[in-house]
Amino acid sequence: KAGVTQTPRYLIKTRGQQVTLSCSPISGHRSVSWYQQTPGQGLQFLFEYFSETQRNKGNFPGRFSGRQFSNSRSEMNVSTLELGDSALYLCASSLRTDGETQYFGPGTRLLVL
Amino acid sequence: GEDVEQSLFLSVREGDSSVINCTYTDSSSTYLYWYKQEPGAGLQLLTYIFSNMDMKQDQRLTVLLNKKDKHLSLRIADTQTGDSAIYFCAETSYNQGGKLIFGQGTELSVKP
Repeated sequence: KAGVTQTPRYLIKTRGQQVTLSCSPISGHRSVSWYQQTPGQGLQFLFEYFSETQRNKGNFPGRFSGRQFSNSRSEMNVSTLELGDSALYLCASSLRTDGETQYFGPGTRLLVL
Repeated sequence: GEDVEQSLFLSVREGDSSVINCTYTDSSSTYLYWYKQEPGAGLQLLTYIFSNMDMKQDQRLTVLLNKKDKHLSLRIADTQTGDSAIYFCAETSYNQGGKLIFGQGTELSVKP
């Protein structure tokens, strides 16, 4: 069974631009969560989607948004990029949302110049 | 709020056992996880334990859970240079849904 895939793997943007990252979960998994990893703040939860509905949201500004499609694929969008948005963005999928084991993708490394 | 703490560094000799420790504050934690991250990579799930268990063994990995002290440990037997990585402890509970709370990560260095 294929694992979680994320595209693109690397991205360079400039301040003020927007970016969209994509995540395809493991086949059959309906829950997708997104995390931001930075050296200073570590791993922080962004949001979680289950059956196309956002079920949980972390403490990030409204510039960070996401959605999930009927095939469980998810996208996250960051508008008006700031230098501090440079990070590794990780997507995780699981069968359901009650703490069922989450499997992570390789991440998208975003650099904002 | 919920918090997970880990020591930042651990250095061991190849062939020795490594013990990575983690403490958490959420008394309603139901699942506790250990993930491994190698340079430039995502998170690899190593093992997990339910909060109603005290111990779980999986090949070279042993997880011990002390619920009273909210302390979790990961023991790696016969540590190899390929085990050098950052190890993250994480917890979640039913009322957190898909949200994992991670520790800062412990960087394990294995010297030959």
